[in-house]
Amino acid sequence: DGGITQSPKYLFRKEGQNVTLSCEQNLNHDAMYWYRQDPGQGLRLIYYSQIVNDFQKGDIAEGYSVSREKKESFPLTVTSAQKNPTAFYLCASSIGSDSDLEQYFGPGTRLTVT
Amino acid sequence: LAKTTQPISMDSYEGQEVNITCSHNNIATNDYITWYQQFPSQGPRFIIQGYKTKVTNEVASLFIPADRKSSTLSLPRVSLSDTAVYYCLSKQAGTALIFGKGTTLSVSS
Repeated sequence: DGGITQSPKYLFRKEGQNVTLSCEQNLNHDAMYWYRQDPGQGLRLIYYSQIVNDFQKGDIAEGYSVSREKKESFPLTVTSAQKNPTAFYLCASSIGSDSDLEQYFGPGTRLTVT
Repeated sequence: LAKTTQPISMDSYEGQEVNITCSHNNIATNDYITWYQQFPSQGPRFIIQGYKTKVTNEVASLFIPADRKSSTLSLPRVSLSDTAVYYCLSKQAGTALIFGKGTTLSVSS
């Protein structure tokens, strides 16, 4: 099966700890994205990557970091600097940045920080 | 960036056709209209995209008038499983997807 996997589905952390969310895709897509969704809200773009070893900040990148060492993987680290980290995090991919009208989303990771 | 406006919620019954209209008054020449569907605690799913006139696929139809300042997503004969949030997005290729709050569609039996 081709698709995007995110793990874990639920994640709990104590305030002040960094946490890394996993995102893997086997669709051979060049572009990958991280979004954050808060209750009753739309999605907001955190970071995106158009190609391996390159990534750009989205609208709400502060307190987050990413890496793109492999085409298939785009992990997101939520650092202790992120003031309100509790949210639903979604990873997505598209064939390329010029073909990104259709994005494929993973199942999401719900992060709770207390 | 073009901003879209759509109703917060809509109600329907099984078997009815549902039309969700989205307004995008300042759409740019290169912008496409794209719609996504999201179920609770899942990632959004691409439904359909279009630039002008009418586009139809196995799931829905998208109507875009000549001035392109609005568009209508049409879901034929909805079922309970179509209950979801529907997002209208206006964007150019290579720019970020901007998701608003979407339209929550509730389908009843």
